[in-house]
Amino acid sequence: GDSVTQTEGLVTLTKGLPVMLNCTYQTTYSPFLFWYVQHLNEAPKLLLKSSTDNKRTEHQGFYATLHKSSSSFHLQKSSVQLSDSALYFCALSDLYNQGKLIFGQGTKLSIKP
Amino acid sequence: EAAVTQSPRNKVAVTGGKVTLSCNQTNNHNNMYWYRQDTGHGLRLIHYSYGAGSTEKGDIPDGYKASRPSQENFSLILELATPSQTSVYFCASGDRDYAEQFFGPGTRLTVL
Repeated sequence: GDSVTQTEGLVTLTKGLPVMLNCTYQTTYSPFLFWYVQHLNEAPKLLLKSSTDNKRTEHQGFYATLHKSSSSFHLQKSSVQLSDSALYFCALSDLYNQGKLIFGQGTKLSIKP
Repeated sequence: EAAVTQSPRNKVAVTGGKVTLSCNQTNNHNNMYWYRQDTGHGLRLIHYSYGAGSTEKGDIPDGYKASRPSQENFSLILELATPSQTSVYFCASGDRDYAEQFFGPGTRLTVL
């Protein structure tokens, strides 16, 4: 069945450094990938989404490129800020799932001054 | 902007009691979802619905029922609450296949 893997449970970085959070997926169907961000005691909110192969999508300084050849949708930012500290979820949808999202386990990003 | 509200925001229940969590959306979305979030497990799908009158089992439906009486409302029902159901519950709505889901603020449920 479909699945999403986020390999890092916790990433700790100093402010101003670049970050990449890994996301790989598995599906038989044409995928639609999402990144959600959840700040402490808040609801998850959409950060990025894409279904177009090899096209970079950007929002709020974060960016990701869907690579169907490697089944990946890694989240990147060139310079993290303290306010980026949050839980980040990668999620997958496809025609088979009819609107349901398959979530990864999440990566907690902690930014130090 | 999409609006999903949940009530109550916090709930303390006793073991064996009945708990109803309510969700309302004003987006006219067809799809609605109930998730629970526990540390180390991310977001897990309990029940979902494709429209009024329909409910479907998600990945962890045991111990939960759902009700979708209208396009706007989707309830999660714990007939006999247990301490293992202590968690944060999120409702979400979405429009079509592939579309993003909009999440409510969450309900923190504690079962003693």
